[in-house]
Parts: sequence; structure tokens; C-alpha cells
Amino acid sequence: AQKITQTQPGMFVQEKEAVTLDCTYDTSDPSYGLFWYKQPSSGEMIFLIYQGSYDQQNATEGRYSLNFQKARKSANLVISASQLGDSAMYFCAMREWSTGNQFYFGTGTSLTVIP
Amino acid sequence: KAGVTQTPRYLIKTRGQQVTLSCSPISGHRSVSWYQQTPGQGLQFLFEYFSETQRNKGNFPGRFSGRQFSNSRSEMNVSTLELGDSALYLCASSLTSGAIDTQYFGPGTRLTVL
Repeated sequence: AQKITQTQPGMFVQEKEAVTLDCTYDTSDPSYGLFWYKQPSSGEMIFLIYQGSYDQQNATEGRYSLNFQKARKSANLVISASQLGDSAMYFCAMREWSTGNQFYFGTGTSLTVIP
Repeated sequence: KAGVTQTPRYLIKTRGQQVTLSCSPISGHRSVSWYQQTPGQGLQFLFEYFSETQRNKGNFPGRFSGRQFSNSRSEMNVSTLELGDSALYLCASSLTSGAIDTQYFGPGTRLTVL
């Protein structure tokens, strides 16, 4: 089974609107971390936000927030007030203790912000 | 603090040759991981080094190897290059190798095999 599933290959959002990028994960390990990365066309992966499996509250970093629903094994990224510079690929990733903390990445979602 | 650096940024090689890619982690980071990214396969984990020891290895043939030096810098080597090795190779560093540690990525090395 896939460790990380991102079901939206491509998404469009109007500038200044909010958008949610979906991510579900599969693990039986109680200790894990969830991450979101942004990859612009230049290729560099930029870290956005982190959520630990034991964190009680949803993580927030500026315009990014992570909607963490542990029972549903879902870790959706919410981007508020989208900007043109947000157009990029977005990857959800997980790191779990039981596999030696190896990182697992989803297939990514391509976000296009429309002016 | 300087970010993760990778050299070279671009490489063109021919089939059968070998190549060495270099990665310098963020100062103080002891874990370095390597990934291969292609349009067809996405991001695939190659291996992770922590304190000069390989901790994890992905499902790649033995032509792909790596090492880490005492200053945490890492090199990745691919021998007997094949056309399918054309990819963006990303290096990432983290403070340790724990589940809560964020990986920070370098700009990547784009390898083209002709």
C-alpha cells in the first residue's frame, strides 16, 4: 500500500482565494511526522510545514495550515489568500519511526494560481 | 545559516560513464539523504547517511552508492550510467535522523545521460 496518497494531480485556484490540497497517509506506527513541501519549476524543494503525530493542535505557518485528522489519517494543506507565487508542485511526506525514519513522499499536486 | 548546497547543478554524461555528485548539508546537520526525481517515478528515496553510516537504503541497484565524510558532506556515485538514470538528484539534510526532524533540500543536480 502507498504510504502517502495525494489524489489531486492538478488544482486551480483564483488569486486571493483559499485552497486545500489533500493528503492521506498509511502507517501503524504511533510515532511519525508529516511534512509538506513546495517545489517550484526551479526544482528546489521548499519546506512549508510540519505536524507531529502527538501534536494536539493543527500546525500553522503564516498562510499555510495543516488540517490534521489523525483518525482519518489525513493531513491536508490549506493555503489561504493564494498568491501567483504559490503556483508550484506540492508534496506531502511522512517520516515514521518504525522504518528508521525514512521519508516517504506522495506523487504531488500541481497548483496553479489564476490571476 | 547557509542552506544545503549541491554540486554540480547540471551534468551531461554518456551511457557507461560514471558520475559523482556532491552535497554539503546545513551546518550542524548530521543526516544526509538522497532522492531521485523523474517525471515517471516521482521522488524515490536512494539512501540516508547519518554520522558516516548508511542508515537506510531504497530499492536501487548497486550501481548507486554513496558515502558521508566526517564533516557530514556526502557524495553519491552512479556507475555504468544508463539512459534511465537521467533525473533530478536531490540531497536533503536534517539535524538528526529522528521522525520529527525536518529535511531541508538542496537545489538538486540535474543529470542527463545521452
